[in-house]
Amino acid sequence: EIVMTQSPATLSVSPGERVTLSCRASQSVSSKLAWYQQKPGQVPRLLIYDISTRATGTPARFSGSGSGTEFTLTISSLQSEDFAVYYCQQANDWPLTFGGGTKVEIK
Amino acid sequence: EVQLVESGGGLVQPGGSLRLSCAASGFTISNYWMTWVRQAPGKGLEWVASINPDGSEKLCVDSVKGRFPISRDNAKNSLYLQMNSLRAEDTALYYCVSGRYSHGYWGQGTLVTVSS
Repeated sequence: EIVMTQSPATLSVSPGERVTLSCRASQSVSSKLAWYQQKPGQVPRLLIYDISTRATGTPARFSGSGSGTEFTLTISSLQSEDFAVYYCQQANDWPLTFGGGTKVEIK
Repeated sequence: EVQLVESGGGLVQPGGSLRLSCAASGFTISNYWMTWVRQAPGKGLEWVASINPDGSEKLCVDSVKGRFPISRDNAKNSLYLQMNSLRAEDTALYYCVSGRYSHGYWGQGTLVTVSS
């Protein structure tokens, strides 16, 4: 099983700041890496897939990067609506696995 | 508009069974892998099972192997999860999602609570 580790678990940020979230895989996941956003009480929403491709409706301030086992989700200027939990997911091998999530909270 | 609507959740005793259903509208599931993802209260996301477009390939997480068969009826545009031998640790919100990966469409989820 590919273990996905996200860091940090919680990030306290002020609106307007640049945010970098990390996701590490226990082995290479090729390009099959996605990011999801989940706001309290809401359904998760796909933000990015294939490491860096924004899903339909994802604002340009969200970008994904990385390769192999190290991946990053960057929010260039945090907006109030971006406070949420972010999950990475690999789909290079079964079982599909998610990271534990990073909660982005207001500082 | 694409909609995935889950049903069938509820309170069940340990060892009991439930059958979850997911009715899709606004898109034809026969073209897609379909997946169940669950989220225990206050916890993260966990992949449960996936099925390929024609139903010939089915995969699931080890913790539900042999207990939660996934199935689909493309004619009814529906996805199912038969949940048997339920355990307390199966308590979660179960989401029906599109795709094998990059899950673009999610249902609102159906809550399964396993408790005596």
